[in-house]
Amino acid sequence: GAVVSQHPSWVICKSGTSVKIECRSLDFQATTMFWYRQFPKQSLMLMATSNEGSKATYEQGVEKDKFLINHASLTLSTLTVTSAHPEDSSFYICSARPPVRDFYNEQFFGPGTRLTVL
Amino acid sequence: GENVEQHPSTLSVQEGDSAVIKCTYSDSASNYFPWYKQELGKRPQLIIDIRSNVGEKKDQRIAVTLNKTAKHFSLHITETQPEDSAVYFCAASTSGYSTLTFGKGTMLLVSP
Repeated sequence: GAVVSQHPSWVICKSGTSVKIECRSLDFQATTMFWYRQFPKQSLMLMATSNEGSKATYEQGVEKDKFLINHASLTLSTLTVTSAHPEDSSFYICSARPPVRDFYNEQFFGPGTRLTVL
Repeated sequence: GENVEQHPSTLSVQEGDSAVIKCTYSDSASNYFPWYKQELGKRPQLIIDIRSNVGEKKDQRIAVTLNKTAKHFSLHITETQPEDSAVYFCAASTSGYSTLTFGKGTMLLVSP
């Protein structure tokens, strides 16, 4: 149980184009999903918290107009990197949180999307 | 907000030795402390977690200890194997709907 998928697993795009990444919880409903960015040899940096049916909450320093997040259903959240530039190249990972159980904050991670912007 | 410090950043051990990774946190309200293992290019995998109502938890070769007074928690891996080589992240969060704050990671290398 608690499986999270992500698509695509990797993408190469030209500078200036937009890229959409999907995150799905396959066997549970996730009212909350998270988007992280991970640069090589670094930790996971939270970009935003995505709540179903409401606007995402972005972390300080993350441009909401550049990283568009849509959490349209209880099993799907999307991240769109708009007008991508080479500095946006990174490993993007989503996670999903099952309904809060035992009052603790478990998260299950997707396999990640490797974005390379040329 | 929460701040999690993790040490060491790299750790090299011989197969069969034990490995210990330590983390400290700043928010005394934190009560959930998971540990993740991440292999290169793959997703973080939860390997063990501990909640504030216990001081120690063990799962085969892996154990985690928590000292709430000192605000630190540690991951212990015994009888290390080459397949334990990976980056390990600690994290902390408060209960309910809060976010996870991650440490910077420890690259563990187990040599045969």
